[in-house]
This record gives sequence, structure tokens and C-alpha cells, in this order.
Amino acid sequence: QVTLKESGPALVKVTQTLTLTCTFSGFSFSSSGTRVNWIRQPPGKALEWLARIDWDDHKFYSTSLKTRLTISKDTSKNQVVLTMTNMDPVDTATYYCAWISGKNDYWGQGTLVTVSS
Amino acid sequence: QSVLTQPPSASGTPGQRVTISCSGSSSNVGMNTVNWYQQLPGTAPKLLIYTNNQRPSGVPDRFSGSKSGTSASLAISGLQSEDEADYYCAAWDESLNGYVFGTGTKVTVL
Repeated sequence: QVTLKESGPALVKVTQTLTLTCTFSGFSFSSSGTRVNWIRQPPGKALEWLARIDWDDHKFYSTSLKTRLTISKDTSKNQVVLTMTNMDPVDTATYYCAWISGKNDYWGQGTLVTVSS
Repeated sequence: QSVLTQPPSASGTPGQRVTISCSGSSSNVGMNTVNWYQQLPGTAPKLLIYTNNQRPSGVPDRFSGSKSGTSASLAISGLQSEDEADYYCAAWDESLNGYVFGTGTKVTVL
């Protein structure tokens, strides 16, 4: 059974750095083709893809947020970490991690992050 | 930012057929496969269609997908009240080297 769960602070202040952890089970980065994504959704708005890390450590970032994002993985812990610097109130959103690969499509429940000024 | 364009809303009465369009470009829909997601309020998106027209197990055959050129469509036939949700298309974009989502369509069952 595949599960993913996001964890991190519910509240961050403007200009702070956000660190989110995705802890998963049921699959592994040891398998080729494993790709974990971070996606966010501001309240009442559309989904926005942020970043992806692959089993071979290839990393991909949203062009509009590239300078603020870093994605990494810890294969031994089955975790993916996303950091986002210089947080702003417009970054208030539910952040999801997801394994998206063809019919293999699993999402965490999401974690709401509010940025306060 | 969303580079795939969808109508903001669609509606129908129970039993009707509703179609949602997804307009992209040669670097995303035109070059890669399209997924469709259903998102119920307060929940994570659920995969409805993958690889343009394939249904994961458990998804009713009332849902169907198609793609032509730089556009894709999701059709819901025999609309039911539980289909009231937000729907998103998505595809990998070769120019952006990233995944892109549609603007989202809210389906209302009248």
C-alpha cells in the first residue's frame, strides 16, 4: 500500500524559509522510475506544480519559483524534503507531495501552510 | 502559473453529458500525455484519466478522455450528483521542463 504524508510548520513568518518533509511508504527510490513531486494549491485557487526529484537524483523546478526552491531526498528514510526561501503571504497554500508516474498516482493529504506578516 | 486553459465552469442536470476542454501548446499537450484529476472539496486530487484516455481501476467508465493536437477533453456521461467537483488537466511541458496543470473547471450538477 502506497502512502505519502507531508509534515512541516503550519505557520511561517514573512521572509522565513519553509521546510517541508514528505515521508512515504510502499515504494522506494531504489526503483528506477520513481519520481516524487511537490504541488501546492492556494485557498480557492488552482494546483501549481513546484518541483520533482527522480530516483537518479535528477531535479526539476518550476521556472517561476526556481530561485527559491530546493528539493532533496533521503533514500534510507524514504523522505523528500522541499525548502522554499523568502516566504510571502501569497505562498499561503496547501502543499502536497505526490508520486505521479502513469497510472501510479498517489498524493499525500496535504498540509496547509499560512504565511503571516 | 497555469499554462493549460480550461473553462472555469461547466454544468448539467443528472444524466446529461458534460465535456471539459484543456487547451495547451506544442510543448505540453502537443508533445506529452495528459492526465485528468478530480478534486472534491477539502481533499487531495484523485487521478481520473492517465495517458490521455486510460482509466485507473475503480474509475467509472462514465469518465472518458481524449486528445487531439494541442487540446484534450474530459467527458462525463450520465452525470451524477457525486461528480460535482473541480477538475484539472495536467501534462509535462518540455519547454518549461516541468509539470503544468490546467486552470481548473468547477462542475455543478443542477
